[in-house]
Amino acid sequence: QKEVEQDPGPLSVPEGAIVSLNCTYSNSAFQYFMWYRQYSRKGPELLMYTYSSGNKEDGRFTAQVDKSSKYISLFIRDSQPSDSATYLCAMSQNNNDMRFGAGTRLTVKP
Amino acid sequence: GAVVSQHPSRVICKSGTSVKIECRSLDFQATTMFWYRQFPKQSLMLMATSNEGSKATYEQGVEKDKFLINHASLTLSTLTVTSAHPEDSSFYICSAREGAEAFFGQGTRLTVV
Repeated sequence: QKEVEQDPGPLSVPEGAIVSLNCTYSNSAFQYFMWYRQYSRKGPELLMYTYSSGNKEDGRFTAQVDKSSKYISLFIRDSQPSDSATYLCAMSQNNNDMRFGAGTRLTVKP
Repeated sequence: GAVVSQHPSRVICKSGTSVKIECRSLDFQATTMFWYRQFPKQSLMLMATSNEGSKATYEQGVEKDKFLINHASLTLSTLTVTSAHPEDSSFYICSAREGAEAFFGQGTRLTVV
């Protein structure tokens, strides 16, 4: 079993839809949870950073962490074509050694 | 957010030659930088952790003699792919932490012909 599981998609939604991206993990010691957006042939860009459980909101993006279920989510409201990218979840125990999900490829159609 | 600059963004080299990739933290100091490799449609695989002023820590299965890492200053780490072969063709990405957050370079597309 991989430490971090993420459905690679692809996921295609119409513009304006709410997008839900998810990851599950097996290591209960993970405390730091991140979401990255990666455009084709570019390095990942940090979107959201969460420590321990709870929700965090930033504009159209909301990150949720449920440590009891070992499940994290990223919600994108009012999705735009410019949101089309691969979204990677990442997590770490000690803020040093990060483990990544496989990435979900999202396409938002105008 | 902080800026991490990686250079070059793309390189094509002949089999048997060596290629150096630079990773710089532009507006902060990074005692630790990370090097990843990413295959098409796959996630990032950590290759090694680069520590300023000391030897890098390599992940299991990564050849340290093939992937030479030097972290000579708090703002610069380099990855040298020695005696490159076509199977080394990949997307290489560096990362540096500022506080609790990690920031990535733009990546380097290496093609070995």
